[in-house]
Amino acid sequence: GQNIDQPTEMTATEGAIVQINCTYQTSGFNGLFWYQQHAGEAPTFLSYNVLDGLEEKGRFSSFLSRSKGYSYLLLKELQMKDSASYLCAVRGAINKLIFGTGTLLAVQP
Amino acid sequence: GAVVSQHPSRVICKSGTSVKIECRSLDFQATTMFWYRQFPKQSLMLMATSNEGSKATYEQGVEKDKFLINHASLTLSTLTVTSAHPEDSSFYICSARDLTAGGETQYFGPGTRLLVL
Repeated sequence: GQNIDQPTEMTATEGAIVQINCTYQTSGFNGLFWYQQHAGEAPTFLSYNVLDGLEEKGRFSSFLSRSKGYSYLLLKELQMKDSASYLCAVRGAINKLIFGTGTLLAVQP
Repeated sequence: GAVVSQHPSRVICKSGTSVKIECRSLDFQATTMFWYRQFPKQSLMLMATSNEGSKATYEQGVEKDKFLINHASLTLSTLTVTSAHPEDSSFYICSARDLTAGGETQYFGPGTRLLVL
């Protein structure tokens, strides 16, 4: 079967750093994605990892360990507008993108 | 970046009627598009994979006779919710990959909010 787990909710303070973890067990692996989704809107692409290691893109970084079935999204210098759901998704063997449960992040002043 | 559009953005219909949702890739060709459904406070659930020129592939538990998918061209896929019921009320989102741009990134449409009364 396929299983992608994330914490349901997280809270962080403006200006701080937050790490959102994702663990997965899937049939095949062709990359891991992180998306941001604001309420009532479609997901927007944040990052893509297919090899082990850290990918940095501005205030956002994403890490992947394929052997551990683990990824995290790191958000630095948090802003109020970063309050959103963050979705971890894995592209499996048949190239379908399967989403995790999503993490609702609340950034507080 | 690549753009995916959906129409309509919002639709309200009576129970028993059918609703068609269009998904277009605006500046790239997509041989494969994906249809997702999202209930409030839940993540996206893949419903089916739409293949240009052939039958769609449905996920387990999704009724193919209720959710009709047609992918008639390389830029258009349609999802028709037949004989809609209130429990079909949801946020429907389509997605496509731009294979000419490396193919990794999957872009999402803005979604269609369906309310069945």
